[in-house]
This record gives sequence, C-alpha cells and structure tokens, in this order.
Amino acid sequence: QSVLTQPPSASGTPGQRVPISCSGSSSNIGSNTVNWYQQLPGTAPKLLIYSINQRPSGVPDRFSGSKSGTSASLAISGLQSEDEAEYYCAAWDDSLNGPVFGTGTKVTVL
Amino acid sequence: QVQLEQSGAEVKKSGASVKVSCKASGNTFAGYYIHWVRQAPGQGPEWMGWINPKSGGTKYAQKFQGWVAMTRDTSISTVYMELSRLRSDDTAVYYCARPHSGSGGEAFDIWGQGTLVTVSS
Repeated sequence: QSVLTQPPSASGTPGQRVPISCSGSSSNIGSNTVNWYQQLPGTAPKLLIYSINQRPSGVPDRFSGSKSGTSASLAISGLQSEDEAEYYCAAWDDSLNGPVFGTGTKVTVL
Repeated sequence: QVQLEQSGAEVKKSGASVKVSCKASGNTFAGYYIHWVRQAPGQGPEWMGWINPKSGGTKYAQKFQGWVAMTRDTSISTVYMELSRLRSDDTAVYYCARPHSGSGGEAFDIWGQGTLVTVSS
C-alpha cells in the first residue's frame, strides 16, 4: 500500500535536531515534489511541508525539507515535546497518476 | 476559513456499500478539487481519487476503479464517496481533503475530521 519507505521510528531529546528520511523511486520523488505531514493520534494529517521545502502559514521554521534524487528528508530542529507525532512523506507518482504516501515515522521526544 | 465536515462513523457487513459525505463551508466549494484518502489502522494514508465539484468530473486510483464512485451536490456544497462490495480490509478512516493553493494540487492542507468505516463479516 505505502510506496515510499520511511524508518519506523526516530527520537531525540528536547532541543536536538532529528532527521527523517523518505525513499522513493524515479516515478515519484525522483521526478516530482515532496510533501510532509504530521499526524497526532486520532486526528487528520496536517500539512507540514509542501513543494520539498515550503512551509504553510503557521508552521514553525523548525521544520525543514530537502530532496536529493529519489530520496527526501524532513528535519526537526530544536525538538519540542509537542513534536511527538507520526510523520508521513508524500509525492505525486507518475505511474499511479496520483499521490503516494510513506510508511510513517513515529517521533518520540525522550 | 474553509472547513470540511464529514458524516459519522459507519458499521457495514461484508459485501455492502457505504456512502460518506463531505460538506464544505465557505464560498469556495467549486474552486478546488476534493480528494479522498483512506487510512487503515496502523498504516499510512492511501489516495483514492478526486472529484471536481464544479464539473463533476472524477479521477480514481486504478485500484479503486469499478468499485468507488465520487459525486457532488452543488446546492448543498457536499461531495460524496461511495464504496461498494466492502471487504474487511476496507476498514479504515476515510478523509476528504482539499489541496493547498500554493502547491501543484497534490499537497492537502484542509482535511475533514475523518469517517471511520468498519466492515464486519
């Protein structure tokens, strides 16, 4: 079901920088932009980053995105307790002709 | 501020159909495509397709072609997603979502609250 691969978990102490990777293929990340979502338990996903590195209004600049080849990365700088959530990457897939999502990474603040 | 309000949870038997509604508040109903995304328990989201509320045009993910139907009622700013021949693995939270105006149309910044559909045998 999930076409993009993410590590199942990541963690850090408050203030640390936590990177999250997302691996895809030439039909999705390799040829299209990447978006990132944050999801708290029992709620809908929240758009965190779009078009690789753009933040919607209201999203702190602690969150940043990047892309290289068929992989992408989200970085959380200055980790805070409220950042504890599930994070999903997503990208348009030319084969599906629609967006595909990642497997998800659970971020824990130690 | 545009909001998407979905219908309540459903419990269905295998083989039945379910129809989920998504009502848009605000006056931009016809201006953006509405997408449907589902999320099975413990899994990542899965895109199902979109509907153009203005024209009624649709596009479905290949996996769902033949057993999903997306429709709209412009008089009440509501879109619908109907899934037929339900199986147990269709148990999921179903979301409607609207693209961010600054993206290429595939980044969703406005989501409904989700509708849990439970399929029992």
